[in-house]
Amino acid sequence: SAVISQKPSRDICQRGTSLTIQCQVDSQVTMMFWYRQQPGQSLTLIATANQGSEATYESGFVIDKFPISRPNLTFSTLTVSNMSPEDSSIYLCSVGGERGTAAYEQYFGPGTRLTVT
Amino acid sequence: GENVEQHPSTLSVQEGDSAVIKCTYSDSASNYFPWYKQELGKRPQLIIDIRSNVGEKKDQRIAVTLNKTAKHFSLHITETQPEDSAVYFCAASRNTGNQFYFGTGTSLTVIP
Repeated sequence: SAVISQKPSRDICQRGTSLTIQCQVDSQVTMMFWYRQQPGQSLTLIATANQGSEATYESGFVIDKFPISRPNLTFSTLTVSNMSPEDSSIYLCSVGGERGTAAYEQYFGPGTRLTVT
Repeated sequence: GENVEQHPSTLSVQEGDSAVIKCTYSDSASNYFPWYKQELGKRPQLIIDIRSNVGEKKDQRIAVTLNKTAKHFSLHITETQPEDSAVYFCAASRNTGNQFYFGTGTSLTVIP
């Protein structure tokens, strides 16, 4: 299956600043998604990153707070804007639709652990 | 939208015993149900999945059953081993769009 990497792996940021997280896949994938996992909690879908168009956001998440880019079939970024301590979480990208795998399967990147002080 | 409930939240079993985790979902259009295992500090790993056209799927010590009428599905782990200790998440999705909606997770501890 695809090798998925995320940068940075972790960061500590100050309140009011922004952080951009990168997700890189070593093969082309149809779908890319961004999730948030707060400490000890489940995974919550933030948005679907659409190649060449605006991301599709889930209820409770907005583009101004979490702008997403997906310029091609192997790369996406998630920005966490104007951060507050409540944004402290693990952010994970997931991918699906890699050639040779079932279209409905998703595989996760290693995650980015964000701490906002 | 889809609502996935998962029980129990914690589960302790003796090594060699079986473990069962149950999930229910609300959207009758959901037709794909994966299970993920997440070890501490690691990413979720897909361990087994089932589509709505089958009622049961097995892979060695792991099996998943699906009851579409009742809208629930379960993970069964037999002959548990200490390395099975982890948090397990169920999820549901429709093929279209492939958004996954996750359950709240089950922390499984296998006691040697």
